[in-house]
Amino acid sequence: NAGVTQTPKFQVLKTGQSMTLQCAQDMNHEYMSWYRQDPGMGLRLIHYSVGAGITDQGEVPNGYNVSRSTTEDFPLRLLSAAPSQTSVYFCASSYSTAGGGDTQYFGPGTRLTVL
Amino acid sequence: DAKTTQPPSMDCAEGRAANLPCNHSTISGNEYVYWYRQIHSQGPQYIIHGLKNNETNEMASLIITEDRKSSTLILPHATLRDTAVYYCIVRVFGETSGSRLTFGEGTQLTVNP
Repeated sequence: NAGVTQTPKFQVLKTGQSMTLQCAQDMNHEYMSWYRQDPGMGLRLIHYSVGAGITDQGEVPNGYNVSRSTTEDFPLRLLSAAPSQTSVYFCASSYSTAGGGDTQYFGPGTRLTVL
Repeated sequence: DAKTTQPPSMDCAEGRAANLPCNHSTISGNEYVYWYRQIHSQGPQYIIHGLKNNETNEMASLIITEDRKSSTLILPHATLRDTAVYYCIVRVFGETSGSRLTFGEGTQLTVNP
């Protein structure tokens, strides 16, 4: 299994540009999430999905869109990039465990700079 | 999700046990205690989770007090590669909440040679 993969690893955008960060998992996990991490801070939840066709907003959703048309893919779209969106973006997927709760796997991250 | 309190930093000698505390005095009955860690610049890594009972896996042990208001993550033989920020997270897991995690400040564990 490749686990959780994210592309690109690095990206530089100009203010106002749009782009899509890709996230894919090959573990057939139901749950997927997007987080952002600003320098020196903890991760903050942007959007999450509990299954194909179902998404919801997290803590900091403004400026981002998501969709989940398949179990495997959960792309994050930046509609009009702003310097405040300069951050490291992590995608995660998880499955429920037999004993209760879940186990999350994180991707390696996409480092985005908006000029 | 219940709030957690962790010390901002801890040191540990290589080869010794690292005991990382977490207070979660407002935890409710259906909330799990999770531990994750983040090694510099990498994605967070799941370590362990539990509800009431103590848990052990190949990475660590999780000790939850009987009243569930605090817990301790134990790395039995810390190595330099265990230097990371450790996050204690308390949350409900379910079909509607999915895999939402709320990260606090965490504890920066430094393992010294």
